[in-house]
Amino acid sequence: GAGVSQTPSNKVTEKGKYVELRCDPISGHTALYWYRQSLGQGPEFLIYFQGTGAADDSGLPNDRFFAVRPEGSVSTLKIQRTERGDSAVYLCASSITTNTEAFFGQGTRLTVV
Amino acid sequence: GQQLNQSPQSMFIQEGEDVSMNCTSSSIFNTWLWYKQDPGEGPVLLIALYKAGELTSNGRLTAQFGITRKDSFLNISASIPSDVGIYFCAGRQAGGTSYGKLTFGQGTILTVHP
Repeated sequence: GAGVSQTPSNKVTEKGKYVELRCDPISGHTALYWYRQSLGQGPEFLIYFQGTGAADDSGLPNDRFFAVRPEGSVSTLKIQRTERGDSAVYLCASSITTNTEAFFGQGTRLTVV
Repeated sequence: GQQLNQSPQSMFIQEGEDVSMNCTSSSIFNTWLWYKQDPGEGPVLLIALYKAGELTSNGRLTAQFGITRKDSFLNISASIPSDVGIYFCAGRQAGGTSYGKLTFGQGTILTVHP
């Protein structure tokens, strides 16, 4: 596809479980960003990658959250021991370089019950 | 985390009316962006402002980067039903490591009555 693709679109999980959210950036985009959007709020920055490396993870709320991008393309956001407060839409965005505007995917709606 | 102060929170207008929304911050930003988000979708960039005082238009949309670098506004003229959605401002701080690291406002929900 031409845009940023996120899977799954929706994920319901039980409190305490582990989840993985996937992001396929636009082909050729070297920079990749994760944001979290709580209900009624704007997106909040979590982490961004330049290539394979996490260049800035200052937005990750705690050590239950981790993200990888092993081959510099697809990225996975991993959440351990999920809590009800983790329920939100997780958005991924990518850009050609870190000096160009990013394009957002449609998001993954995570619900922790 | 830090968010920009965006107002109003919601607007209900008649088709054909003009709309204005604004965003303020206690911090200086070197870039202001305005996005629109439809239900179930990610934000889509409408206008980007890179210089203090800059006034930029995109069709019926006009946005300005405040001279103090702490505020921005977005105007929509002659609103139409497809303008319905949530509008977000976003700022990027000077010295930032990446264009994609943004601070967002809380959003303005726009409803347009035909």
